[in-house]
Amino acid sequence: GESVGLHLPTLSVQEGDNSIINCAYSNSASDYFIWYKQESGKGPQFIIDIRSNMDKRQGQRVTVLLNKTVKHLSLQIAATQPGDSAVYFCAENMGGSSNTGKLIFGQGTTLQVKP
Amino acid sequence: GAVVSQHPSRVICKSGTSVKIECRSLDFQATTMFWYRQFPKQSLMLMATSNEGSKATYEQGVEKDKFLINHASLTLSTLTVTSAHPEDSSFYICSARGRFGSGNTIYFGEGSWLTVV
Repeated sequence: GESVGLHLPTLSVQEGDNSIINCAYSNSASDYFIWYKQESGKGPQFIIDIRSNMDKRQGQRVTVLLNKTVKHLSLQIAATQPGDSAVYFCAENMGGSSNTGKLIFGQGTTLQVKP
Repeated sequence: GAVVSQHPSRVICKSGTSVKIECRSLDFQATTMFWYRQFPKQSLMLMATSNEGSKATYEQGVEKDKFLINHASLTLSTLTVTSAHPEDSSFYICSARGRFGSGNTIYFGEGSWLTVV
């Protein structure tokens, strides 16, 4: 069945270093993916998204890479800051080629930034 | 920017009672809203799709008679947990899909903590 998963439950990085958070998905028909940041006790916060017709998209300090061949997604955070400490989820749009708004979330990676 | 608001943010109720959680899109119309459930240190799990003016669509394993969803207007969806039990204690999060330009953007609410005692 469909699933989105993350490789590591916790990632600890030094402040100023770059962070890479990985995600695997299983539905090759999916064409829209989103990365969310969730701080404790709050709702998910949109970080960046990417469609399957792209393999890379950049935002402010963040880059998402999509490898459709191996069904892998990653989020790169440059110059990680203490405020980046949170749980990061990748999400896959359910519904294949149409943006239904229904999302399957991965298990989440906790990013810990050490000062 | 677009905002999705949930109310209440925290609620405590007694076992056997019902509790209603509201999800509002504040500055856009949302024909479709989604309800998720999240247990501590776990991921979000989609419960149901709330469709304005029609019945909600529930995901497999979610009891529709226990989690009543009403989407009476383009800006409001409500989730009612009926006959609540302690195992219903969780973080409930809604999202709304709003149409901006050529794409549909998904916005999440801040979540509602439900504790059943």
